[in-house]
Amino acid sequence: EPEVTQTPSHQVTQMGQEVILRCVPISNHLYFYWYRQILGQKVEFLVSFYNNEISEKSEIFDDQFSVERPDGSNFTLKIRSTKLEDSAMYFCASTSDRYEQYFGPGTRLTVT
Amino acid sequence: SQQGEEDPQALSIQEGENATMNCSYKTSINNLQWYRQNSGRGLVHLILIRSNEREKHSGRLRVTLDTSKKSSSLLITASRAADTASYFCATGAGTASKLTFGTGTRLQVTL
Repeated sequence: EPEVTQTPSHQVTQMGQEVILRCVPISNHLYFYWYRQILGQKVEFLVSFYNNEISEKSEIFDDQFSVERPDGSNFTLKIRSTKLEDSAMYFCASTSDRYEQYFGPGTRLTVT
Repeated sequence: SQQGEEDPQALSIQEGENATMNCSYKTSINNLQWYRQNSGRGLVHLILIRSNEREKHSGRLRVTLDTSKKSSSLLITASRAADTASYFCATGAGTASKLTFGTGTRLQVTL
């Protein structure tokens, strides 16, 4: 069964460094999303992406964040200058029918 | 209350018993979905119910939706130890919309 994959599974970085989180959505899906979950808290929406552009973003998704679909398969989230409060589990999701979203296993980002 | 709040926050039952989790939300929705998350892992989609549906079944799962009360429930029948996880409801407001997640219910099923 097709699934969303994410790499790396765990990323440790120092404050102020740039990180890129990578996702490979399910191949025939057209809508892509990033969410994050700070430890012990609810899952929060960051951004949605369709037709090579951002369709919606949350207040969390400030100028430090960017997304890109550099080729036909990858979908990336970049954080330019990480802060301690960016430490969280980041989930990529995709959908074809615009309702049911399929999530990847997540990347645990630890900022020290 | 916030959009998407589940209760109870934690539920402990014995194997074979039924588990019921509730979700309330505040704004109008197009659909409501339930996800399972094992500790520290990803989110697994369980079931989706659209705003014009009242009840849906999938295997041991039964979901109800009451849009007049802005609430949903997830029933897991004949629970198993492997059902131990956190369960989240998530609401979608429209086409290709973001999902707004609830606070989750931690379910513990003991032998």
